Amino acid sequence: GQQVQQSPASLVLQEGENAELQCNFSSTATQLQWFYQSPGGSLVSLLSNPSGTKHTGRLTSTTVTKERRSSLHISSSQTTDSGTYLCAPWDYNVLYFGSGTKLTVEP
Amino acid sequence: EAAVTQSPRNKVAVTGGKVTLSCNQTNNHNNMYWYRQDTGHGLRLIHYSYGAGSTEKGDIPDGYKASRPSQENFSLILELATPSQTSVYFCASGETGVQDTQYFGPGTRLLVL
Repeated sequence: GQQVQQSPASLVLQEGENAELQCNFSSTATQLQWFYQSPGGSLVSLLSNPSGTKHTGRLTSTTVTKERRSSLHISSSQTTDSGTYLCAPWDYNVLYFGSGTKLTVEP
Repeated sequence: EAAVTQSPRNKVAVTGGKVTLSCNQTNNHNNMYWYRQDTGHGLRLIHYSYGAGSTEKGDIPDGYKASRPSQENFSLILELATPSQTSVYFCASGETGVQDTQYFGPGTRLLVL
């Protein structure tokens, strides 16, 4: 299966600052998904982006398939953005997860 | 709204005991998955299923069995629980060929003493 590396492992921001999260994976993925995990543990899909750039709200994801990397940009961070962001490339019908970036946004 | 439920939400078990974690989905998805998540780690795939009667091994299947008796239900079975299996377990369902529709349950916290 895939090996997935995410960086940084943790990030602390002041409210209003931007965040840039990185994801590298070991082999070609048919799809790439970003998840948010709340401090309580629940997982929610943020967006899917197999290649190119995709926007949704304050989130922008850029995936370069040939280089096996993806990034997630969060603009104008809010305290409610605090949590863990997980990158997960798909390999057929199976997701492989990175260890995540823990984001803390302080007021 | 797609829904995946898990039971129990919390479980304390003894070493050597049998533990069954249950998952139910009302999404009518073909695929279901069991993951575990340990502190500081992402989710690791234990077993998955493409439909009723099928089970497939994921990356870390040792010590676990899975059962998919119906489209809606997928169980994870620890025949002889060990302390190393203390973790948070997540179930998910997804649709074949529609890769960005994977929905997760709330998780089960398992403590093996």
